[in-house]
Amino acid sequence: SYEVTQTPSVSVSPGQTANITCSGDKMGDEYVSWYQQKPGQSPVLVIYQDNKRSSGIPERFSGSNSGNTATLTISGTQAMDEADYYCQAWDSSTVVFGGGTKLTVL
Amino acid sequence: EVQLVESGGGLVKPGGSLRLSCAASGFTFSRHSINWVRQAPGKGLEWVSSISSSSSYKYYADSVKGRFTISRDNAKNSLYLQMNSLRAEDTAVYYCARDSAVGASPFFDSWGQGTPVSVSS
Repeated sequence: SYEVTQTPSVSVSPGQTANITCSGDKMGDEYVSWYQQKPGQSPVLVIYQDNKRSSGIPERFSGSNSGNTATLTISGTQAMDEADYYCQAWDSSTVVFGGGTKLTVL
Repeated sequence: EVQLVESGGGLVKPGGSLRLSCAASGFTFSRHSINWVRQAPGKGLEWVSSISSSSSYKYYADSVKGRFTISRDNAKNSLYLQMNSLRAEDTAVYYCARDSAVGASPFFDSWGQGTPVSVSS
């Protein structure tokens, strides 16, 4: 089965850029989506089809996908962005989530 | 407004069964594939199962294959998950999530609030 790997945690200072990566074999050949989940809440779609922002998502969120790595970038990170982030890919008939990255805004 | 409301979760003994439901509103239910995604306590998201808009295609994670059955009733705008032979490792919050229906590669643009399932003796 297809495996997707995320760095467990990322820390960033307010106003700085956070990069959250998602790795998998030939990941760039498939679309990747990203979800944000805050404690006690349901996941929210942030990025879909590699780099398209979901409705209502601020412009500071962007995505890219090439080679074996997809990246979620948060420019000018704010305290409200502190959350868990999950990448999601699709392998034939199976949906795959990364293990999640906890973003801490120090 | 798109709404997905799960129900049916609870405490069940190992080996027992439970049927989850997801009531949809605010969109044309019959045009979307729908999925179940679960999250064990303190853990990440795990895709469980998906069903196509007309129920023609059903897919399952290896961890639940043969024990869980997904179904839907488009006339009732409802999704179901029949869970049999439950194990402790099935303990999780179960979410229903709508596939956007944009393109061939699925992504989930709406999620319910989740229903908790606890498997314990």
